[in-house]
Amino acid sequence: NAGVTQTPKFRVLKTGQSMTLLCAQDMNHEYMYWYRQDPGMGLRLIHYSVGEGTTAKGEVPDGYNVSRLKKQNFLLGLESAAPSQTSVYFCASRGGGSSYEQYFGPGTRLTVT
Amino acid sequence: EDKVVQSPLSLVVHEGDTVTLNCSYEVTNFRSLLWYKQEKKAPTFLFMLTSSGIEKKSGRLSSILDKKELFSILNITATQTGDSAVYLCANAGGTSYGKLTFGQGTILTVHP
Repeated sequence: NAGVTQTPKFRVLKTGQSMTLLCAQDMNHEYMYWYRQDPGMGLRLIHYSVGEGTTAKGEVPDGYNVSRLKKQNFLLGLESAAPSQTSVYFCASRGGGSSYEQYFGPGTRLTVT
Repeated sequence: EDKVVQSPLSLVVHEGDTVTLNCSYEVTNFRSLLWYKQEKKAPTFLFMLTSSGIEKKSGRLSSILDKKELFSILNITATQTGDSAVYLCANAGGTSYGKLTFGQGTILTVHP
């Protein structure tokens, strides 16, 4: 039982390049989330999904797209990376109901030069 | 707009000290208040608080919620160097999809 995993762990991109971050969970959770964490700003929600095939925007969605084709996977895409997207990205999942505990992956450190 | 503010932003103590971390929030539809500990990687869950005045406890850590005054505290007694971390407070409010609004975090450093 691996919980929530993320790939890759680190990535350096040049401005304008694209990439996809993969999040996978093996807990059969309905809800999945993508956050970014910047110094002094806590975690901010980028996009989320309430089930397979559904996605929605969070607080800071601009410049990102997501897809949830399978229940266990949630992909975050950057179509044209910008230096402002340099950050640490965390994926999380949650089972549902009245427990709001989210389980986090280990994070992806992305640098855009 | 939901908002969570933590204080202090950073704290340096010595082993054996007791610390209190604060979290105040504004939320349109309160559901729960959560505390996480973040060392070098992923945040790990500590507590979820839903009712006022009921203390949650785990070893040397404890937390309580005051829904009237809209704040929560996290206490750590007899601190150890392994308690050094960022402590995050988050509010689950608003909608049913379980969005968490996080505070900026408190950086706790415990010296031997």
